[in-house]
Amino acid sequence: DAGVIQSPRHEVTEMGQEVTLRCKPISGHDYLFWYRQTMMRGLELLIYFNNNVPIDDSGMPEDRFSAKMPNASFSTLKIQPSEPRDSAVYFCASSPPGAGELFFGEGSRLTVL
Amino acid sequence: GDSVTQMEGPVTLSEEAFLTINCTYTATGYPSLFWYVQYPGEGLQLLLKATKADDKGSNKGFEATYRKETTSFHLEKGSVQVSDSAVYFCALPFSGGSNYKLTFGKGTLLTVNP
Repeated sequence: DAGVIQSPRHEVTEMGQEVTLRCKPISGHDYLFWYRQTMMRGLELLIYFNNNVPIDDSGMPEDRFSAKMPNASFSTLKIQPSEPRDSAVYFCASSPPGAGELFFGEGSRLTVL
Repeated sequence: GDSVTQMEGPVTLSEEAFLTINCTYTATGYPSLFWYVQYPGEGLQLLLKATKADDKGSNKGFEATYRKETTSFHLEKGSVQVSDSAVYFCALPFSGGSNYKLTFGKGTLLTVNP
């Protein structure tokens, strides 16, 4: 079975540009999470969905960040406008019901110049 | 709020050495506890877990025992291999949250030399 698929794997952009990160969770998983990883702050939970509905977005750093999950097989994390401090690895993870285990994608490394 | 504290890395060992990575937690009640591992260039994956006090989680030669007396969940392996080189994360659910919503420690980088 395919794991969690994220794209792009690497993104380099300039400050002020819009960035869209994409995630395809594992089929049958009803939870989806977006995490951000930096050296300074470690892993931070940004937002998570259950059955396509956002449950908790308290980790989203500011209004420049938004996330959507239009259907069970696709989610996006958008940053507009991007800033250098947004440079990080962004992970998507999904989880099946009752498992208590997160399955992570390989991450999207974002560099904002 | 609930949190975990991991020992600072990096940790460098020779092959076949004994490994301990310390993790202590602060939590209301007795949440499940987890160890995740991140190999170079990959996402995190679950290594082991324990769902209640005194439980021992184990996988791939790694073990961790949920000790409520010392609020600890230390990761151990008797004989490490080069392939164990990775970053290890201790984790627990957010306070009041389900087991799905995890907060992670800062991670401990392990390098095993041949």
